[in-house]
Amino acid sequence: EIVMTQSPATLSVSPGERATLSCRASQSVTSNVAWYQHKPGQAPRLLIYNGSTRATGIPARFSGSGSGTEFTLTISSLQSEDFAVYYCQQYLRWLSFGGGTKVEI
Amino acid sequence: QLQLQESGSGLVKPSQTLSLTCDVSGDSMSSGGYSWSWIRQPPGKGLEWIAYSYGSGRTYYNPSLKSPVTMSIDRSKNQFSLNVTSVTAADTAVYYCAREGAVAGTFLYWGQGILVTVSS
Repeated sequence: EIVMTQSPATLSVSPGERATLSCRASQSVTSNVAWYQHKPGQAPRLLIYNGSTRATGIPARFSGSGSGTEFTLTISSLQSEDFAVYYCQQYLRWLSFGGGTKVEI
Repeated sequence: QLQLQESGSGLVKPSQTLSLTCDVSGDSMSSGGYSWSWIRQPPGKGLEWIAYSYGSGRTYYNPSLKSPVTMSIDRSKNQFSLNVTSVTAADTAVYYCAREGAVAGTFLYWGQGILVTVSS
């Protein structure tokens, strides 16, 4: 099983600031990583796939990078609607999610 | 716009069977060749995929799951289902149904989720 580890567990930032979220895979997943945004009471939303490709309709302030075992989701200038929990997911071998990073004010 | 909606029992007794259905609207499940999935989130924890299926016998289950699960697709009703047998408190979670995105293994469309509590 490929284990995805996200850090930090909680990230405290202010609106307008840059947020950098990390995700590490227990073995190489090449670029087979997606990122999701999850707000309470809502369905998760696909942000990024293939490590760095934004899904349709996702604002340009969201960007993904990395390959192999180290991945990063960057939100360049946080908006109020961006405060949520973010999950990374690998889909190279079976499927597995990270534990999530909560982005809070 | 594709929409998914989960339904089923919100309270299940230990050792019994949890049964959920996902109704798909806005498009036929037969178009596009996408996979359909179940994912859950236990209280205070992260997301865990349960199963995904393309239909026609191509169904895959998370090998890490402790409770036996079965997923099925009924394209005539445009819905798919999940059964988890012999449930325990560890199966308490919000259960989501989802459809694959353009890239196999990603989840583009999700239902709103349904909370299922396992308790006597």
